[in-house]
Amino acid sequence: KQEVTQIPAALSVPEGENLVLNCSFTDSAIYNLQWFRQDPGKGLTSLLLIQSSQREQTSGRLNASLDKSSGRSTLYIAASQPGDSATYLCAVRPMLDNYGQNFVFGPGTRLSVLP
Amino acid sequence: DARVTQTPRHKVTEMGQEVTMRCQPILGHNTVFWYRQTMMQGLELLAYFRNRAPLDDSGMPKDRFSAEMPDATLATLKIQPSEPRDSAVYFCASGLSSRGGGNQPQHFGDGTRLSIL
Repeated sequence: KQEVTQIPAALSVPEGENLVLNCSFTDSAIYNLQWFRQDPGKGLTSLLLIQSSQREQTSGRLNASLDKSSGRSTLYIAASQPGDSATYLCAVRPMLDNYGQNFVFGPGTRLSVLP
Repeated sequence: DARVTQTPRHKVTEMGQEVTMRCQPILGHNTVFWYRQTMMQGLELLAYFRNRAPLDDSGMPKDRFSAEMPDATLATLKIQPSEPRDSAVYFCASGLSSRGGGNQPQHFGDGTRLSIL
């Protein structure tokens, strides 16, 4: 059974710092991995999706890497801003079939960026 | 912007009552997911549909939960009878999936915050 963990559980940094969030998964047989952001009282917003054949994806100040063989992904946030404060979740899509998008989610990292 | 719409946003009711949560997926999406989020368990998949057909509901307590898609624009999640342990935020998400891919991200609604007293 696929299990996803995230470290740290919470992180507080001053504005402007570069930071790294970590995600680990137990089964390397995945189709893809996705990073989400969740603001309080809101649903999840997709940030980056990395296919199993890819090593990284970039969007603006965000960069996500994937090392499938070691079961790890990192989300790098450059020049953090208070608006980045949220909970960040990673999710992997196990290789169940050719259609399903049923992700297994990690517990999230709660990020606070202080002005 | 197209978005997933969930109703109601909040629901408070007494145990034993029936609860129905509704979701309008993004037009054109062919997969719909129901998740439950709690502090203790995090985000758990309850059920998902592709082209309105249920593909996996193994995460759902069968004796009291049921999920349906009466048409392509509406998905429902029902709890009957409800129990205090069902208190959680229930999210619906939709996506576009194709054979050999399924690589489109899921789009989430803002959730239904359910409290069973």
